[in-house]
Amino acid sequence: DAGVTQSPTHLIKTRGQQVTLRCSPKSGHDTVSWYQQALGQGPQFIFQYYEEEERQRGNFPDRFSGHQYPNYSSELNVNALLLGDSALYLCASSFRTQGNLRGSPLHFGNGTRLTVT
Amino acid sequence: KQEVTQIPAALSVPEGENLVLNCSFTDSAIYNLQWFRQDPGKGLTSLLLIQSSQREQTSGRLNASLDKSSGRSTLYIAASQPGDSATYLCAVRYGSGGSNYKLTFGKGTLLTVNP
Repeated sequence: DAGVTQSPTHLIKTRGQQVTLRCSPKSGHDTVSWYQQALGQGPQFIFQYYEEEERQRGNFPDRFSGHQYPNYSSELNVNALLLGDSALYLCASSFRTQGNLRGSPLHFGNGTRLTVT
Repeated sequence: KQEVTQIPAALSVPEGENLVLNCSFTDSAIYNLQWFRQDPGKGLTSLLLIQSSQREQTSGRLNASLDKSSGRSTLYIAASQPGDSATYLCAVRYGSGGSNYKLTFGKGTLLTVNP
């Protein structure tokens, strides 16, 4: 049973560039959330996708955008990269039980380490 | 402001010791609380999930408790082993607004178990 998979594992970009990170949820899961984890900090919520729509967004600028596909996989796009965007980007998946997502545990991938120079 | 605080930030113990990690949250209206483990440079591994209606959850040598009235949770690790060395993160899904899906994380406790 495959868990949450993310690609690539590492990425180096230059300021001003754009980046796309990818996530495949755990088998049976239909909801994907993205988190940003800076060094020494806890993860910060970016947004969540369910039924191909953004359902909730954290305190991140519009440079951060996403997409969810019919097979539940997801992408995180970041435009106009800043040095401060350097972080570990984590994808988490879960499933809605009878419409109630709130009680479901999240399963995380190993993340994508983004370095902006 | 809905926050999560973890104390201590770092803990070093000898192998075999029982230990307690602490997590506090600022609003008692929560849906659930989840404890995670993170190895260096890796993703998060879910350890225990406690629903708001529960007082504790157990898995092997791990026991997590929840006291909503005091805004506290503890993770108890029995008979610690060097393989338990990792960062332990507490995350709360707050219930205000009825449509909050995000987890709010603490900064974690870095645990080192010495052989």
